[in-house]
Amino acid sequence: DTGVSQDPRHKITKRGQNVTFRCDPISEHNRLYWYRQTLGQGPEFLTYFQNEAQLEKSRLLSDRFSAERPKGSFSTLEIQRTEQGDSAMYLCASTVEVGPTDTQYFGPGTRLTVL
Amino acid sequence: AQTVTQSQPEMSVQEAETVTLSCTYDTSESDYYLFWYKQPPSRQMILVIRQEAYKQQNATENRFSVNFQKAAKSFSLKISDSQLGDAAMYFCAYRSPVSGTYKYIFGTGTRLKVLA
Repeated sequence: DTGVSQDPRHKITKRGQNVTFRCDPISEHNRLYWYRQTLGQGPEFLTYFQNEAQLEKSRLLSDRFSAERPKGSFSTLEIQRTEQGDSAMYLCASTVEVGPTDTQYFGPGTRLTVL
Repeated sequence: AQTVTQSQPEMSVQEAETVTLSCTYDTSESDYYLFWYKQPPSRQMILVIRQEAYKQQNATENRFSVNFQKAAKSFSLKISDSQLGDAAMYFCAYRSPVSGTYKYIFGTGTRLKVLA
């Protein structure tokens, strides 16, 4: 297993279009996180899953955002009716509990540009 | 709500020298986890080091060590014998240990430049 992968790596879209990103975590990892990172900022938490259950969702995540993790494997993040403010890097991370805490393994990210 | 603050947007260090990156955080919890992550240019973020708040001993990983001051809510990262490959964005992060709450909170990052 080579790590967390994300697809696509880059996405350019026009305002108002819908986009969907995919994250494939490390196979034995049961927790999966989505973050948004804008230029010069740290990752901002969006949501996370424990297996297939979405356990927490940030207030940053408007109704236009939805995430799924069917069968507790890969996850998708969909943004409907994109806005220019959605332009950012979207990061996925997966973890497995080892000892007292877990360690996050990040994917390369999907860079979204909304024109 | 917990917050993480990195007050140094950018730092520079001469190759082979030592540099310290600062991080402060705010929380009302007595137990938690702290992390330093490294994000090289156009590459994936990776864990550098982590510290459990209940441990008094500062964590070390090869050339990387932390100075954890719980009372001051300070968590600085020291990089010894800096190498060109250490050039990256460094993020400090906090995680609550409360069962069912696994959200990580990141600081805004410090860009480290290593001068040859």
